[in-house]
Amino acid sequence: SQQGEEDPQALSIQEGENATMNCSYKTSINNLQWYRQNSGRGLVHLILIRSNEREKHSGRLRVTLDTSKKSSSLLITASRAADTASYFCATPRGDSSYKLIFGSGTRLLVRP
Amino acid sequence: NAGVMQNPRHLVRRRGQEARLRCSPMKGHSHVYWYRQLPEEGLKFMVYLQKENIIDESGMPKERFSAEFPKEGPSILRIQQVVRGDSAAYFCASSLTEGAYEQYFGPGTRLTVT
Repeated sequence: SQQGEEDPQALSIQEGENATMNCSYKTSINNLQWYRQNSGRGLVHLILIRSNEREKHSGRLRVTLDTSKKSSSLLITASRAADTASYFCATPRGDSSYKLIFGSGTRLLVRP
Repeated sequence: NAGVMQNPRHLVRRRGQEARLRCSPMKGHSHVYWYRQLPEEGLKFMVYLQKENIIDESGMPKERFSAEFPKEGPSILRIQQVVRGDSAAYFCASSLTEGAYEQYFGPGTRLTVT
């Protein structure tokens, strides 16, 4: 199956709660990236974590990477209605530095 | 500093017509990537181009699809004799150098084939 599969497929939470999304991948990677896509719009790069990093923060985002389990998680703290979007993880395919492989995404709904 | 620009944003074509999608990379970027997104799915890599060269077209269907990135002007993704299955969002990304670390995405072109 495809590199970079997100879990859950859909998530609905109340504003102010935390949202956690997970991503699993199959082959070795040198970095993993998270993107956000608002409905009908393009992708916005959120954060990149390298294979030698275990955790990274950016504002209300926290990303972890466990290379032994081939998984990553994205945590959005104190969610807002504006966080409603689809979130994708992406990894460069092992034999190339440019071919990003995307998962099918987690659709997050933050209820006001 | 303008980002990656794509036009048109929405394109409707009847079956059998041709679709031309344009992508202007960020200023100074000479590496362009095209991806396709089917409804409710993630993006799928199609092709990677540098100025006047196709570097990797392994994700592009062998027939009806072609891409170019001329010395002057935008990159063009061309789909001939469109079919309903071509309906999707097509995204272009660009980077300053080769490498997935630095890809910047455009807003996409949504192609609908009727």
